[in-house]
Amino acid sequence: ETGVTQTPRHLVMGMTNKKSLKCEQHLGHNAMYWYKQSAKKPLELMFVYSLEERVENNSVPSRFSPECPNSSHLFLHLHTLQPEDSALYLCASSQDRLGRPSTDTQYFGPGTRLTVL
Amino acid sequence: SQELEQSPQSLIVQEGKNLTINCTSSKTLYGLYWYKQKYGEGLIFLMMLQKGGEEKSHEKITAKLDEKKQQSSLHITASQPSHAGIYLCGAPLRAGGTSYGKLTFGQGTILTVHP
Repeated sequence: ETGVTQTPRHLVMGMTNKKSLKCEQHLGHNAMYWYKQSAKKPLELMFVYSLEERVENNSVPSRFSPECPNSSHLFLHLHTLQPEDSALYLCASSQDRLGRPSTDTQYFGPGTRLTVL
Repeated sequence: SQELEQSPQSLIVQEGKNLTINCTSSKTLYGLYWYKQKYGEGLIFLMMLQKGGEEKSHEKITAKLDEKKQQSSLHITASQPSHAGIYLCGAPLRAGGTSYGKLTFGQGTILTVHP
């Protein structure tokens, strides 16, 4: 599946490092999402972008900073993370129907496995 | 907030056996997605159900939506080792307005199929 790609696939960083996760979608979608998946917890929605505008921020700590320069790319900038931030970070995209109820399918990337030491 | 509970949390079956995974919502369901995930990888879309009573099948996997019970079930017939993985259900957070397709997910069901 190459519809949604994520890099890197694995990342190990110290608490003082700054790194970025990248997501790219090749599906022509207009909405992109960041999710966090921790062990034994349901998938947690972090951020939603629709037409490159952030429309949702689910009380995510400021050490996570998203960026959506265009409808095909989404970044998650990381700085001064904590060990509890270690998780699988998943990106997804969908075609949002702009103001109308949307149940369009979200397609996910393979994820970035992040370990914070 | 809406919560989705999946049962069982884990399931171990012999190859060839049938199995069912359930997803129950604390609120009205306006649609339901099923995904499959290999450990440490992304989610693969299986199917989406939108209407009460709807049933969809893909190969040996069938999913149904029971709106009255606020529940969906995923049934696998004649399971194979390739069916092993984590099955997750997801539901739209609200029916109207600009939902932006936001989903809430169940905690997942881990399926192991022994050859």
